[in-house]
Amino acid sequence: SAVISQKPSRDICQRGTSLTIQCQVDSQVTMMFWYRQQPGQSLTLIATANQGSEATYESGFVIDKFPISRPNLTFSTLTVSNMSPEDSSIYLCSVEEGAARELFFGEGSRLTVL
Amino acid sequence: TQLLEQSPQFLSIQEGENLTVYCNSSSVFSSLQWYRQEPGEGPVLLVTVVTGGEVKKLKRLTFQFGDARKDSSLHITAAQPGDTGLYLCAGPNDYKLSFGAGTTVTVRA
Repeated sequence: SAVISQKPSRDICQRGTSLTIQCQVDSQVTMMFWYRQQPGQSLTLIATANQGSEATYESGFVIDKFPISRPNLTFSTLTVSNMSPEDSSIYLCSVEEGAARELFFGEGSRLTVL
Repeated sequence: TQLLEQSPQFLSIQEGENLTVYCNSSSVFSSLQWYRQEPGEGPVLLVTVVTGGEVKKLKRLTFQFGDARKDSSLHITAAQPGDTGLYLCAGPNDYKLSFGAGTTVTVRA
């Protein structure tokens, strides 16, 4: 299974600032997925990042707020822009494997916005 | 409305007791997955069930897929504090994976 590294693992940010989360995979993958997990909640898909094309965003998430880069097959970034306290969450990067589309996750980036 | 409904939402038990977590849907799934997430970590895949009526065992964990492939259960025998975590079921939904709301399990020593 893929090994996924995310950074930062946690950060405390000021309202109105932006933060970029990095995700590195130890193998080449076609699609990378970014999830948000609000406190005490399940996972919500933000967007799917394909190399060489624009990310596909889920309903309720927009590129201006969550710009994503996918410069190659092993790396992606998610930026949380103009943060507010409502953006305080764990952000998770993942890749899928196999016909059953099993997901493998990074350890997550816990953001706290003051 | 969640595509996958999990119950209970919270479960707190004493070490050595058994527990069951349920994952139900009105939709048919080609497969269902179970993940466990410990505090400060990302979810980790426990098992994938594919065939209706399938039962899979992973040490003290038993996973069952309903005959109609609309539901699944996770049973833990003789729970240990190391079983503490958030248990999530998930199933393919179009191009993505849909997650249940999760069951937070706490096993007290």
